[in-house]
Amino acid sequence: AQSVTQPDIHITVSEGASLELRCNYSYGATPYLFWYVQSPGQGLQLLLKYFSGDTLVQGIKGFEAEFKRSQSSFNLRKPSVHWSDAAEYFCAVVTGGGNKLTFGTGTQLKVEL
Amino acid sequence: EPEVTQTPSHQVTQMGQEVILRCVPISNHLYFYWYRQILGQKVEFLVSFYNNEISEKSEIFDDQFSVERPDGSNFTLKIRSTKLEDSAMYFCASNGKTEFTEAFFGQGTRLTVV
Repeated sequence: AQSVTQPDIHITVSEGASLELRCNYSYGATPYLFWYVQSPGQGLQLLLKYFSGDTLVQGIKGFEAEFKRSQSSFNLRKPSVHWSDAAEYFCAVVTGGGNKLTFGTGTQLKVEL
Repeated sequence: EPEVTQTPSHQVTQMGQEVILRCVPISNHLYFYWYRQILGQKVEFLVSFYNNEISEKSEIFDDQFSVERPDGSNFTLKIRSTKLEDSAMYFCASNGKTEFTEAFFGQGTRLTVV
C-alpha cells in the first residue's frame, strides 16, 4: 500500500541552524511529492512540490527538497532556520487519480532562540 | 490570490446531530476534496469529487457522510448523525484544471462533538 513515513515526530533546532526533515514514501509509480506546513490553528500551506525534472526543488520561505528515487526519499531542508518556521510539517504523495493525497504523520518543529 | 474558504471556522454540535461544513473552492478548479485531522494525528483523505460525483472515498467516508456541490460554487460535507469520534479539523481542498497540480487547502473547520 502507498504510504509516507516521517520518522521524526519532533525536532528542535536553534535559530540560524540548518534543518533537514526526513520523508520516505512507498509508491509503485512515479511519485508526485509535496511538503506542506501547518502553523498552529492554521490550514495547510504548500511549501514545494515535485512532479518531474530537476530533483532539487525550491519552495517558499527559503525551503528546498531533494527527490532521491534510489532512497525513496524527499527530504526538506533549510540552511538557516528562523523562529517563525516553528510549525508542523507534512510530507505528502499523490496516491490516486484525481490527485488524492496521502500524508505522513508530520514533524513538529520547535525553534529555540 | 485566490483561496479556498471554509465556514464556519469552529462548530460545536451535540452527538447525534447533523452538521454541514461549507467550502468555497477556487473558482476555476475542477477537483474537490475533504480531508480530516483528528487532534494530534495525521491528515487523512475522506473523499474526492469531480464532475459532480464522488471519484474516490476512503473507508472513513461511510453512509453517515455525504458531499454535495449544490450551486456550482459551494462544496459541502454533511455528517448525518455525529459521533464523538467525528471531532476533528476538517479541511477542504481544490485542484486545478489539469491533473498533477497542487491542491490548495482551506483554513479548516474545527468540529467538536459533545
